[in-house]
Formats: sequence, C-alpha cells, structure tokens
Amino acid sequence: NAGVTQTPKFRVLKTGQSMTLLCAQDMNHEYMYWYRQDPGMGLRLIHYSVGEGTTAKGEVPDGYNVSRLKKQNFLLGLESAAPSQTSVYFCASSYSPRGQGALTEQYFGPGTRLTVT
Amino acid sequence: EDKVVQSPLSLVVHEGDTVTLNCSYEVTNFRSLLWYKQEKKAPTFLFMLTSSGIEKKSGRLSSILDKKELFSILNITATQTGDSAIYLCAATSGTYKYIFGTGTRLKVLA
Repeated sequence: NAGVTQTPKFRVLKTGQSMTLLCAQDMNHEYMYWYRQDPGMGLRLIHYSVGEGTTAKGEVPDGYNVSRLKKQNFLLGLESAAPSQTSVYFCASSYSPRGQGALTEQYFGPGTRLTVT
Repeated sequence: EDKVVQSPLSLVVHEGDTVTLNCSYEVTNFRSLLWYKQEKKAPTFLFMLTSSGIEKKSGRLSSILDKKELFSILNITATQTGDSAIYLCAATSGTYKYIFGTGTRLKVLA
C-alpha cells in the first residue's frame, strides 16, 4: 500500500517550457487535491477533484490545468512555466465516510520541488 | 470568505518548555479542525477535532476545539528538538473543502 505518490520529485524548467506532474493514490479515495507551498504562505489550493472525470478550480488556478481520467490519478499541467510557479507542489487525497457527512484527514504525497528559471 | 489564522507565526523555545499553538477559524459549514506536523517533507496528520471541549491526546501532544469561540489550541509539553517543525491547522467545510492556515514554525533548542 503505497498511499499517495508523486512524480517527479524534483524538476528544473526554463521559462515557457511545459510539464506534467503525476499524482497517484491506491486508497480508492474520491477526492484529490493539488496544492502549492511557498515560504510563509501555507498550503494554497490550485485545483481539486471530487471524483473521476470532474475537476474544479481552487484558490490559485491560473497557469495550471488538471485532469482526472482515472480515479487513482490526478495530473497537474503547466503549459508555459513562469518563474512565479517555482514552488513545492503537494498532492493529497481524502474521502468522506458514507453517511457521516464529514471528511477524513488528507493524505499527502511527498511533494515535487519545481524550479523555473 | 473562509479563513484560518494561526498564531504565533514562529516560536523559539528550549527543550523541556511547554508551548501552546493557536488556530482560529471563520468557515461556513464547518465540520472539523485538523492539525498536521510538517518537517522537511509532506505534512503528517496529528489530530482531527469535531466536538467542542473534548481533548485529544497523543503522548506529549494534546489539542482541543472550542466551536463557540471558533478556535483550537495545540499543546506540546516537555518539548524536544524533534518537535521542531511547522504546525499546520486546517478547517474542513462541507464534504470536500479544506482551508489551511499559514502555519506556526516551532524551533526547539537543545
């Protein structure tokens, strides 16, 4: 049981390049999230998904796109990277136990450190 | 707009001290309050609080929620250098939303 995994762990991009970050979870969780974390800013939500085939914008979605074609995978894309997207990116998953109307804690991946020069 | 505010932003203490970290929230459709510890990697889960006034404990860490005054505290007694980390709190809203505070950076000196 690997939990939540992210690839790659590190990446350096030049301005204007594109890339995709992959998040995978093996816990059959419905909900998946992409966050970025910058010094002094806490975790800021980029996009999230409440189920396979559905995605929605979070707090800071500009410059990013996502897809959730399979329940276990959540992809984050940067079409044209900018230095402002230098950050640590975390993926997380969770679920809402049936009938309880509340969320579990989030399970986080190990993070991807992205530098855009 | 939903928000979660943590205080202090940072704290330096000596081993053996007791610390109290604060988390206040203004969240619509509030469901629960979570605490995480983050060292140099992903946040790890500490506590989930859903009921007012019921303390949760794990070793030297404890936490309590006040749903009337809209805050939670995280206490760490007899601190150790291994407690040095960023402590995050998050409020959940509805069935899928988590709102995080900016964190409290704790440094414990030997």
